[in-house]
Amino acid sequence: AQTVTQSQPEMSVQEAETVTLSCTYDTSESDYYLFWYKQPPSRQMILVIRQEAYKQQNATENRFSVNFQKAAKSFSLKISDSQLGDAAMYFCAYNKGGNEKLTFGTGTRLTIIP
Amino acid sequence: EPEVTQTPSHQVTQMGQEVILRCVPISNHLYFYWYRQILGQKVEFLVSFYNNEISEKSEIFDDQFSVERPDGSNFTLKIRSTKLEDSAMYFCASRDRVSTDTQYFGPGTRLTVL
Repeated sequence: AQTVTQSQPEMSVQEAETVTLSCTYDTSESDYYLFWYKQPPSRQMILVIRQEAYKQQNATENRFSVNFQKAAKSFSLKISDSQLGDAAMYFCAYNKGGNEKLTFGTGTRLTIIP
Repeated sequence: EPEVTQTPSHQVTQMGQEVILRCVPISNHLYFYWYRQILGQKVEFLVSFYNNEISEKSEIFDDQFSVERPDGSNFTLKIRSTKLEDSAMYFCASRDRVSTDTQYFGPGTRLTVL
Protein backbone atom coordinates (compact mmCIF):
# COMPACT_ATOMS: atom_id res chain seq x y z
CA ALA A 1 0.00 0.00 0.00
CA GLN A 2 1.09 3.51 -0.69
CA THR A 3 2.17 5.61 2.27
CA VAL A 4 3.03 9.27 2.57
CA THR A 5 5.22 10.55 5.38
CA GLN A 6 5.67 14.11 6.55
CA SER A 7 8.27 14.10 9.28
CA GLN A 8 7.91 17.75 10.31
CA PRO A 9 4.74 18.27 12.38
CA GLU A 10 5.52 21.99 12.70
CA MET A 11 7.74 24.50 10.93
CA SER A 12 8.16 28.23 11.27
CA VAL A 13 9.77 30.81 9.06
CA GLN A 14 10.39 34.52 9.16
CA GLU A 15 8.26 36.56 6.80
CA ALA A 16 9.99 37.03 3.42
CA GLU A 17 12.31 34.08 4.03
CA THR A 18 12.32 30.69 2.35
CA VAL A 19 11.13 27.45 3.92
CA THR A 20 11.16 23.85 2.74
CA LEU A 21 8.61 21.26 3.83
CA SER A 22 9.57 17.60 3.50
CA CYS A 23 7.58 14.67 2.19
CA THR A 24 8.54 11.10 1.40
CA TYR A 25 6.36 8.39 -0.02
CA ASP A 26 6.42 4.72 -0.73
CA THR A 27 5.05 3.14 -3.88
CA SER A 28 5.81 0.35 -6.30
CA GLU A 29 4.26 2.26 -9.20
CA SER A 30 6.36 3.96 -11.85
CA ASP A 31 3.71 6.47 -12.91
CA TYR A 32 1.89 8.51 -10.32
CA TYR A 33 1.08 12.04 -9.20
CA LEU A 34 2.10 14.04 -6.18
CA PHE A 35 0.37 17.05 -4.71
CA TRP A 36 0.73 19.65 -2.03
CA TYR A 37 -2.50 20.95 -0.53
CA LYS A 38 -2.80 23.91 1.82
CA GLN A 39 -5.36 23.96 4.62
CA PRO A 40 -5.76 27.38 6.26
CA PRO A 41 -7.70 27.84 9.52
CA SER A 42 -10.93 27.79 7.50
CA ARG A 43 -10.06 24.10 6.90
CA GLN A 44 -10.68 24.30 3.16
CA MET A 45 -8.27 22.15 1.12
CA ILE A 46 -6.55 24.25 -1.53
CA LEU A 47 -4.32 22.78 -4.20
CA VAL A 48 -0.89 24.42 -4.14
CA ILE A 49 1.10 22.44 -6.70
CA ARG A 50 1.20 19.09 -8.48
CA GLN A 51 3.89 16.94 -10.06
CA GLU A 52 3.66 14.08 -12.53
CA ALA A 53 6.20 11.38 -11.76
CA TYR A 54 7.10 10.91 -15.42
CA LYS A 55 8.25 14.52 -15.68
CA GLN A 56 11.81 15.16 -14.63
CA GLN A 57 11.31 18.92 -14.43
CA ASN A 58 10.28 20.16 -11.02
CA ALA A 59 6.92 21.92 -10.92
CA THR A 60 6.76 25.58 -10.01
CA GLU A 61 3.81 27.84 -9.25
CA ASN A 62 4.81 31.41 -8.50
CA ARG A 63 6.51 31.37 -5.09
CA PHE A 64 5.97 27.64 -4.68
CA SER A 65 8.26 25.01 -6.15
CA VAL A 66 8.99 21.37 -5.53
CA ASN A 67 12.13 19.28 -5.39
CA PHE A 68 11.06 15.91 -6.78
CA GLN A 69 13.58 13.13 -6.32
CA LYS A 70 11.98 10.03 -7.84
CA ALA A 71 14.71 7.57 -6.90
CA ALA A 72 14.69 8.76 -3.31
CA LYS A 73 10.86 8.98 -3.31
CA SER A 74 11.08 12.48 -1.96
CA PHE A 75 8.82 15.42 -2.78
CA SER A 76 9.60 18.60 -0.86
CA LEU A 77 7.83 21.94 -1.14
CA LYS A 78 9.79 25.18 -1.16
CA ILE A 79 8.01 28.42 -0.36
CA SER A 80 9.97 31.52 -1.28
CA ASP A 81 9.35 35.02 0.06
CA SER A 82 7.02 33.66 2.74
CA GLN A 83 3.94 35.74 3.40
CA LEU A 84 1.61 35.86 6.39
CA GLY A 85 -1.12 34.32 4.26
CA ASP A 86 1.01 31.21 3.79
CA ALA A 87 0.35 30.20 7.40
CA ALA A 88 -1.57 26.92 7.23
CA MET A 89 -1.36 23.16 7.45
CA TYR A 90 0.32 21.71 4.39
CA PHE A 91 -0.50 18.19 3.28
CA CYS A 92 1.49 16.12 0.84
CA ALA A 93 -0.62 13.66 -1.15
CA TYR A 94 -0.11 10.81 -3.59
CA ASN A 95 -2.31 9.42 -6.32
CA LYS A 96 -1.44 6.65 -8.74
CA GLY A 97 -3.55 8.15 -11.46
CA GLY A 98 -6.87 7.31 -13.04
CA ASN A 99 -9.89 7.32 -10.77
CA GLU A 100 -7.76 6.75 -7.74
CA LYS A 101 -7.99 8.04 -4.21
CA LEU A 102 -5.57 10.50 -2.75
CA THR A 103 -3.37 9.25 0.07
CA PHE A 104 -2.38 12.04 2.42
CA GLY A 105 0.46 12.59 4.83
CA THR A 106 -0.12 13.76 8.38
CA GLY A 107 0.58 17.39 7.55
CA THR A 108 3.02 20.12 8.55
CA ARG A 109 1.77 23.20 10.36
CA LEU A 110 3.58 26.25 8.98
CA THR A 111 3.79 29.41 11.08
CA ILE A 112 4.96 32.68 9.57
CA ILE A 113 6.77 34.99 11.98
CA PRO A 114 6.20 38.69 11.19
CA GLU B 1 -13.77 30.13 -11.37
CA PRO B 2 -15.97 27.04 -10.84
CA GLU B 3 -15.74 25.46 -7.41
CA VAL B 4 -17.10 22.59 -5.39
CA THR B 5 -19.71 23.64 -2.84
CA GLN B 6 -20.90 21.80 0.25
CA THR B 7 -23.86 22.24 2.57
CA PRO B 8 -24.30 22.63 5.42
CA SER B 9 -21.03 24.11 6.63
CA HIS B 10 -21.69 22.76 10.11
CA GLN B 11 -24.10 20.03 11.19
CA VAL B 12 -24.80 19.09 14.77
CA THR B 13 -26.71 15.88 15.40
CA GLN B 14 -27.53 13.44 18.16
CA MET B 15 -25.94 10.01 18.22
CA GLY B 16 -28.06 7.51 16.33
CA GLN B 17 -29.59 10.09 14.00
CA GLU B 18 -29.27 10.05 10.23
CA VAL B 19 -27.43 12.85 8.48
CA ILE B 20 -27.09 13.75 4.82
CA LEU B 21 -24.18 15.85 3.68
CA ARG B 22 -24.58 17.54 0.34
CA CYS B 23 -22.09 18.48 -2.33
CA VAL B 24 -22.36 20.16 -5.69
CA PRO B 25 -19.31 19.19 -7.73
CA ILE B 26 -17.89 21.32 -10.52
CA SER B 27 -20.37 21.06 -13.37
CA ASN B 28 -18.34 19.21 -16.03
CA HIS B 29 -16.68 16.84 -13.58
CA LEU B 30 -17.42 13.13 -13.70
CA TYR B 31 -15.52 11.64 -10.76
CA PHE B 32 -16.58 12.31 -7.20
CA TYR B 33 -15.05 11.59 -3.84
CA TRP B 34 -15.70 11.87 -0.14
CA TYR B 35 -12.92 12.23 2.41
CA ARG B 36 -13.02 12.88 6.11
CA GLN B 37 -10.65 14.48 8.58
CA ILE B 38 -10.99 13.88 12.28
CA LEU B 39 -9.77 16.92 14.18
CA GLY B 40 -5.98 17.00 14.35
CA GLN B 41 -5.57 13.99 12.06
CA LYS B 42 -4.85 13.47 8.41
CA VAL B 43 -7.38 13.41 5.62
CA GLU B 44 -8.73 9.91 4.95
CA PHE B 45 -10.40 8.57 1.83
CA LEU B 46 -13.95 7.29 2.19
CA VAL B 47 -15.35 6.56 -1.26
CA SER B 48 -15.06 7.33 -4.95
CA PHE B 49 -17.98 7.42 -7.38
CA TYR B 50 -18.16 7.35 -11.15
CA ASN B 51 -20.89 6.61 -13.66
CA ASN B 52 -23.49 6.29 -10.91
CA GLU B 53 -21.68 3.64 -8.97
CA ILE B 54 -19.06 3.31 -6.30
CA SER B 55 -15.57 2.80 -7.76
CA GLU B 56 -13.72 2.22 -4.52
CA LYS B 57 -14.43 2.45 -0.82
CA SER B 58 -12.27 2.34 2.27
CA GLU B 59 -12.65 0.26 5.41
CA ILE B 60 -14.24 3.28 7.07
CA PHE B 61 -17.09 3.26 4.56
CA ASP B 62 -19.18 0.53 6.16
CA ASP B 63 -22.88 -0.26 5.88
CA GLN B 64 -23.77 2.90 7.81
CA PHE B 65 -22.54 5.02 4.92
CA SER B 66 -24.05 5.47 1.48
CA VAL B 67 -23.58 7.84 -1.43
CA GLU B 68 -25.94 8.97 -4.10
CA ARG B 69 -26.12 11.27 -7.07
CA PRO B 70 -29.85 11.95 -7.02
CA ASP B 71 -29.82 14.39 -9.93
CA GLY B 72 -27.37 15.90 -12.37
CA SER B 73 -25.77 18.23 -9.88
CA ASN B 74 -25.83 16.94 -6.30
CA PHE B 75 -23.65 14.28 -4.70
CA THR B 76 -24.65 13.20 -1.20
CA LEU B 77 -23.14 11.26 1.66
CA LYS B 78 -25.58 9.67 4.10
CA ILE B 79 -24.71 8.32 7.51
CA ARG B 80 -27.63 6.23 8.72
CA SER B 81 -27.00 6.06 12.44
CA THR B 82 -24.30 8.44 13.55
CA LYS B 83 -21.75 7.55 16.20
CA LEU B 84 -19.62 9.85 18.32
CA GLU B 85 -16.57 8.83 16.30
CA ASP B 86 -18.20 10.10 13.11
CA SER B 87 -17.51 13.64 14.30
CA ALA B 88 -15.13 15.04 11.70
CA MET B 89 -14.76 17.38 8.78
CA TYR B 90 -16.16 15.80 5.61
CA PHE B 91 -14.77 16.92 2.28
CA CYS B 92 -16.26 16.36 -1.12
CA ALA B 93 -13.94 16.46 -4.15
CA SER B 94 -14.43 16.18 -7.87
CA ARG B 95 -12.30 15.60 -10.95
CA ASP B 96 -13.04 15.94 -14.63
CA ARG B 97 -12.41 13.36 -17.34
CA VAL B 98 -9.38 14.98 -18.88
CA SER B 99 -7.77 16.74 -15.95
CA THR B 100 -4.35 15.61 -14.94
CA ASP B 101 -5.69 13.73 -11.95
CA THR B 102 -6.24 16.80 -9.85
CA GLN B 103 -9.08 16.58 -7.37
CA TYR B 104 -10.71 19.84 -6.37
CA PHE B 105 -12.06 20.01 -2.86
CA GLY B 106 -15.10 21.72 -1.41
CA PRO B 107 -14.93 23.78 1.78
CA GLY B 108 -16.03 20.86 3.94
CA THR B 109 -18.88 20.13 6.33
CA ARG B 110 -18.05 19.98 10.00
CA LEU B 111 -20.13 17.19 11.55
CA THR B 112 -20.52 17.14 15.31
CA VAL B 113 -22.20 14.13 16.88
CA LEU B 114 -23.37 14.61 20.46
